Amino acid sequence: DVVMTQTPPSLSVAIGQSVSISCKSSQSLVYSDGKTYLHWLLQSSGRSPKRLIYQVSNLDSGVPDRFSGTGSQKDFTLKISRVEAKDLGVYYCAQTTHFPPTFGGGTKLELK
Amino acid sequence: EVLLQQSGAELVRPGSSVKISCKASGYTFTDYYMHWVKQRPEQGLVWIGRINPANGNTVYAEKFKSKATLTADKSSNTAYMQLSSLTSEDTATYFCTSRGSAHWGQGVMVTVSS
Repeated sequence: DVVMTQTPPSLSVAIGQSVSISCKSSQSLVYSDGKTYLHWLLQSSGRSPKRLIYQVSNLDSGVPDRFSGTGSQKDFTLKISRVEAKDLGVYYCAQTTHFPPTFGGGTKLELK
Repeated sequence: EVLLQQSGAELVRPGSSVKISCKASGYTFTDYYMHWVKQRPEQGLVWIGRINPANGNTVYAEKFKSKATLTADKSSNTAYMQLSSLTSEDTATYFCTSRGSAHWGQGVMVTVSS
């Protein structure tokens, strides 16, 4: 299975600060169709996950442009600019390029 | 609006089985795979398997092949997951998700306890 390694496991942030989360995969996530199926999810406390970004850099509907995703092959980054209180929770990267789909271990974003 | 409405929490005995449901609305049920994901308390997400509601074809992660059985009822736009031979390791929240993980159910907490 493809191993997804997220760092850091936790982040303490002040409101208005910018943060970055790294996600590295054990294999390239480029599929045979040329697309890269790397996604970012946010799970707020007690809630189900919500997809924020799909295929590396595409924002889901309603997701503010304070969120951005970059990367290629095996190395990906989620950046959150001007963090707001509603951004707190656990962020997961996920790959659906290879079978089975796998998730990173999560990065918990907390208030400083 | 796309909704995935899951059934309620379950408290079950070790060794028994449980069947949980996920009712889809707001999109064509048969157009997208339904995936199931496990999350143990305070832990990460693990993919269990997926079903094609159009034809019932299923694919499972290796570790869930003898644990989970996925089915779907096109007439009611509902997907089901049955978990068998339950142990404490199966105590978790189970999510259904569809449309490429764009939509998630609210989760079903399954507690295995005597």
